[in-house]
Amino acid sequence: KQEVTQIPAALSVPEGENLVLNCSFTDSAIYNLQWFRQDPGKGLTSLLLIQSSQREQTSGRLNASLDKSSGRSTLYIAASQPGDSATYLCAVPSGSARQLTFGSGTQLTVLP
Amino acid sequence: NAGVMQNPRHLVRRRGQEARLRCSPMKGHSHVYWYRQLPEEGLKFMVYLQKENIIDESGMPKERFSAEFPKEGPSILRIQQVVRGDSAAYFCASSRTAEPGNEQFFGPGTRLTVL
Repeated sequence: KQEVTQIPAALSVPEGENLVLNCSFTDSAIYNLQWFRQDPGKGLTSLLLIQSSQREQTSGRLNASLDKSSGRSTLYIAASQPGDSATYLCAVPSGSARQLTFGSGTQLTVLP
Repeated sequence: NAGVMQNPRHLVRRRGQEARLRCSPMKGHSHVYWYRQLPEEGLKFMVYLQKENIIDESGMPKERFSAEFPKEGPSILRIQQVVRGDSAAYFCASSRTAEPGNEQFFGPGTRLTVL
């Protein structure tokens, strides 16, 4: 059974810092890994999807890496801004590979 | 280019009532997934449906919960005789194909409160 863990559970940084969020998964036989952002009381916004054949994916100030063999992914956020404050979730397809298994998220606060 | 739509966005029910949550997938998507996010917990898969078929309901509670995706109209998640423990955010996602690992696009969620 696939399990997804995110560390840290919460993170508070001053504006402008670069930061790294971690995601680990127990079953390395994944098709892809997806990072989402969730604002309080809101839905999920897809940030990046990395296919299993890729090692990293970039979008603006975000860079996600994937190491399938070690069961890890990182989300790097450059030059953090208060607007980046949200909960960040990672998810991998599991079961029949149609359902997503989510980590419990990292709650990020960027202080002005 | 409307995304996944869910309604209502907020729903309040008293214990014992029924809750009906609706999800309209993105245009061109015929695969729907329901997830539940309990307070202080992560999102958990509930059910995967294609038009007129339930494909995987391994995450659905055994009683009181049902889901459908008719040929016409939105997908419906139905909770009968709601209890306080059903209070949660319910998210719907859709995908274009049934390819394993296909990207899913999420709706804004329905927040159910049971009084």
